[in-house]
Amino acid sequence: NAGVTQTPKFRVLKTGQSMTLLCAQDMNHEYMYWYRQDPGMGLRLIHYSVGEGTTAKGEVPDGYNVSRLKKQNFLLGLESAAPSQTSVYFCASSIHGIYSNQPQHFGDGTRLSIL
Amino acid sequence: KQEVTQIPAALSVPEGENLVLNCSFTDSAIYNLQWFRQDPGKGLTSLLLIQSSQREQTSGRLNASLDKSSGRSTLYIAASQPGDSATYLCAVLIHNKAAGNKLTFGGGTRVLVKP
Repeated sequence: NAGVTQTPKFRVLKTGQSMTLLCAQDMNHEYMYWYRQDPGMGLRLIHYSVGEGTTAKGEVPDGYNVSRLKKQNFLLGLESAAPSQTSVYFCASSIHGIYSNQPQHFGDGTRLSIL
Repeated sequence: KQEVTQIPAALSVPEGENLVLNCSFTDSAIYNLQWFRQDPGKGLTSLLLIQSSQREQTSGRLNASLDKSSGRSTLYIAASQPGDSATYLCAVLIHNKAAGNKLTFGGGTRVLVKP
């Protein structure tokens, strides 16, 4: 009963370091999303994917890259981490696109601190 | 630009009291509105989704209303229980595919139900 799994759950980085956040879903969903959540600002969409091998920019894509090489995995990369990227990152997936009635299923988040 | 506001940011009520959570949005051209629940350290769980043509949705003790013309939605939770303590977020989906898929979230209302 895994659903959406994010790894790691916590990470502290130094400015300039790089890292990759992994999102895996076992529901055979076509659509996957990466959000960031900052205090008092709700969630903002970083990048999303409408299927294996495809990616698209969301609301706040700068400083991030993504890849969807396998349908079940969606990776979020930070090439050169900055303190402004300190946030909680959520991955979500859905069976249909965002304009359907089907809800998105969320992972438990990755708490990332950039020093 | 769509903005979503949730007031108050925090709410504390005694057990058994009805909860009323408010969500307002600036652009009435929405496709749907969703209410989510977020527990500490967890991701979001979809509670209710209201299509733009609907006025309300109900699920158990939860009832969500939508007034597009005034840009407001209200989530009612009847006979609150300590287990209802969580952060509740609303999100609206704009009906503008040219602008890209965009689910705009409010900042959330943190609810504490005291036994």
